[in-house]
Amino acid sequence: DIQMTQSPSSLSAYVGDRVTITCRASQTINSYLNWYQQKPGKAPKLLVYGASSLQSGVPSRFSGSGSGTDFTLTISNLQPADFATYYCQQSYSAPDTFGQGTKVEIK
Amino acid sequence: QLQLQESGPGLVKPSEALSLTCTVSGVSINNNNFYWGWIRQPPGKGLEWIGIIYYSGSTYYNPSLKSRVTISVDTSKNQFSLKLSSVTAADTAVYYCARRKYYDFGSGFYDDSWGQGALVIVSS
Repeated sequence: DIQMTQSPSSLSAYVGDRVTITCRASQTINSYLNWYQQKPGKAPKLLVYGASSLQSGVPSRFSGSGSGTDFTLTISNLQPADFATYYCQQSYSAPDTFGQGTKVEIK
Repeated sequence: QLQLQESGPGLVKPSEALSLTCTVSGVSINNNNFYWGWIRQPPGKGLEWIGIIYYSGSTYYNPSLKSRVTISVDTSKNQFSLKLSSVTAADTAVYYCARRKYYDFGSGFYDDSWGQGALVIVSS
């Protein structure tokens, strides 16, 4: 199975900050990388697919980049609604696997 | 508007089978653009893919669970179901059903709609 490693595991930031979360795959996955946001008690919500394509309805302050093994999710101008846990998911080969999550907290 | 809703027992005894159903509304499960799947999340932990099914009945399972998992579809009811046999406490989790869309042949997909999740506790 392809292992997905996110860093950091958690971070604290202020409203208005620019935040970057990293996801690294144990082998190349081309651009088959998705990002999800999960709030407590809720299902994950798709933010970005194909490494950089923004899902319909997702604010433009979210952006994804990367290819191969290294990927980033950037949140510019962090908003109160963005405090949540973020997961990456590889869709290159079965079984698809998720990162362990990055919790974004209010500083 | 697309909605997915999980249903089933919230408490299962060890060694018994866990059964959940996902009812889909707002789109036909016969739609050949989508697969339908299950993902679980143990309390306080990350996400684990369980498996997916196509409306035709084709299934793909996580090898780590394959010997215990069965996913089936009932197109007449617009539902699909999960059965996980011989459960232990390690199977305690929130179980989500989700719609999967492939955008590239063989690879490249995303889970764009999820149910609210169903907590299943395995305990005697």
